[in-house]
Amino acid sequence: QKEVEQDPGPLSVPEGAIVSLNCTYSNSAFQYFMWYRQYSRKGPELLMYTYSSGNKEDGRFTAQVDKSSKYISLFIRDSQPSDSATYLCAMSDFNKFYFGSGTKLNVKP
Amino acid sequence: GAVVSQHPSRVICKSGTSVKIECRSLDFQATTMFWYRQFPKQSLMLMATSNEGSKATYEQGVEKDKFLINHASLTLSTLTVTSAHPEDSSFYICSARQGYNSPLHFGNGTRLTVT
Repeated sequence: QKEVEQDPGPLSVPEGAIVSLNCTYSNSAFQYFMWYRQYSRKGPELLMYTYSSGNKEDGRFTAQVDKSSKYISLFIRDSQPSDSATYLCAMSDFNKFYFGSGTKLNVKP
Repeated sequence: GAVVSQHPSRVICKSGTSVKIECRSLDFQATTMFWYRQFPKQSLMLMATSNEGSKATYEQGVEKDKFLINHASLTLSTLTVTSAHPEDSSFYICSARQGYNSPLHFGNGTRLTVT
């Protein structure tokens, strides 16, 4: 079993839709959680970072962490074509980082 | 803030030559830098972890004599691919973190093509 499971997609939505991206994990030692956006042939860009259960909002993005269920989510409101990218979840136990396989999102105009 | 600069963005070299990739944290001091390799449509594969002034720690299966990592200062790490072969062609990405409870910040990657 992988440390982090993420649906690879692809996920295709119309512009303006609410997007939900999810990851599950198995290691209860993970203390903090991140979401990255990666455009083709670029390095990942940090979108959200949190180390507690609950919600964290930043503009159109909301990150949700449920440590009891070992489940994290990223919601994107009012999705735009420019949001089309691969989204990677990541988590850490302070020593190492563990990445999901990435979900490819396509927002159609 | 938290900008990581990686150079070059693209390099083409002949088989048997060596290539150096540079990674700099521009506005913070990076206690730890990580080097990743990414194959098409796949996630990040950790190659090695380096702390300033210490030898890098390589992941299992990564040849340390082939992928030389030097973390000379708190803002600079380099990856040298020695005696490159076509199978070393890949997308290499560095990342850095400021402290042990900080997230990773990534460079924009280097696409290496060995002919």
